[in-house]
Amino acid sequence: NAGVTQTPKFRVLKTGQSMTLLCAQDMNHEYMYWYRQDPGMGLRLIHYSVGEGTTAKGEVPDGYNVSRLKKQNFLLGLESAAPSQTSVYFCASTPRTSGRGETQYFGPGTRLLVL
Amino acid sequence: SQQGEEDPQALSIQEGENATMNCSYKTSINNLQWYRQNSGRGLVHLILIRSNEREKHSGRLRVTLDTSKKSSSLLITASRAADTASYFCATALTGGGNKLTFGTGTQLKVEL
Repeated sequence: NAGVTQTPKFRVLKTGQSMTLLCAQDMNHEYMYWYRQDPGMGLRLIHYSVGEGTTAKGEVPDGYNVSRLKKQNFLLGLESAAPSQTSVYFCASTPRTSGRGETQYFGPGTRLLVL
Repeated sequence: SQQGEEDPQALSIQEGENATMNCSYKTSINNLQWYRQNSGRGLVHLILIRSNEREKHSGRLRVTLDTSKKSSSLLITASRAADTASYFCATALTGGGNKLTFGTGTQLKVEL
């Protein structure tokens, strides 16, 4: 089991460029999440998905889009990158189980620098 | 504003000492979880305590939960240099589904 994997590990973008971050999990988990982590801010939820074909907004969704076409993959897109999107992005997944806050399994993160 | 606030922001101790970090939250929860993050890595789940539990142990970890004070503490006993990491509390809010709200973290440094 690879668990949760993220690609790429590191990327530098220029303002206005677009990119897609890929998250994949091999644990057959229903729920998947995208977070960003900034110094002193902890993790903030960008978007999440409760199952294949579904997406929902989190705490800080502006400037990002997501898609969950396959159960095992959750894509995070930046259509027009801004310096404020410089951050470390983490993907996580969890099984449905009780649906009342289960343990989340995290990927290793993607460092994004927007110049 | 953050649901979970951790205290202290940073903690430096000697190997063998105990480390205690605290988490306060604002609204009703289903459970509270603690995660560890080594520098440059993803978060790793340590322990989950449900709202009807008051104390839980896992190896050298002891977690307490006081729902009347909306606070939790994480105690690491006999700390080791390998415990150096950031520790985050995360709350599963009542009615919040399967989402977690993370605190700002405590940076623990264990020195030899």
